Amino acid sequence: QKEVEQDPGPLSVPEGAIVSLNCTYSNSAFQYFMWYRQYSRKGPELLMYTYSSGNKEDGRFTAQVDKSSKYISLFIRDSQPSDSATYLCAMSGGNQFYFGTGTSLTVIP
Amino acid sequence: NAGVTQTPKFQVLKTGQSMTLQCAQDMNHNSMYWYRQDPGMGLRLIYYSASEGTTDKGEVPNGYNVSRLNKREFSLRLESAAPSQTSVYFCASMLERDRGRRNQPQHFGDGTRLSIL
Repeated sequence: QKEVEQDPGPLSVPEGAIVSLNCTYSNSAFQYFMWYRQYSRKGPELLMYTYSSGNKEDGRFTAQVDKSSKYISLFIRDSQPSDSATYLCAMSGGNQFYFGTGTSLTVIP
Repeated sequence: NAGVTQTPKFQVLKTGQSMTLQCAQDMNHNSMYWYRQDPGMGLRLIYYSASEGTTDKGEVPNGYNVSRLNKREFSLRLESAAPSQTSVYFCASMLERDRGRRNQPQHFGDGTRLSIL
């Protein structure tokens, strides 16, 4: 079983839609949770960083962590064509980071 | 503010050739990492360096060596390239790893796209 599971998509939504991206994990020791955005032929760019359970909001982005269910989510409100990218979840609880395989998102104008 | 800089951006090698991928960060970060990214596999850790002078193996270290030249620079070497090492290689850095409590997130370069024929 992989440490982190993420649906690869692809996901295609109209401009203005609310997007929900999700990851599940198996290691209850994970305490730090991140979402990265990766544009084509670029490196992952940090979007959100949260510690333990709860919600964190930054502009149009909201990250949720439910440690009891081992489930994290990223919500994008009022999605824009510029949000078209691959979104990677990541988590850590010790020496190393574990990444999901990424969900490809396309926002159609 | 350059962040994490990787060179070269692209490279084509023949099987058996050697090559060193360079990475430098200007954020005064302590920890540095090398990953490879393959379709459907996500990011897999090759080697990391928690601080200057130390290196440790990650998930997929075979066929690679690393050198933490100083606090800023962390290089990855392929001694005898194989087609299975065709991938996109990312370097990342992190401010510090607090053993007891809060980890900082990693910051990535834009990658080196390596093809081995």
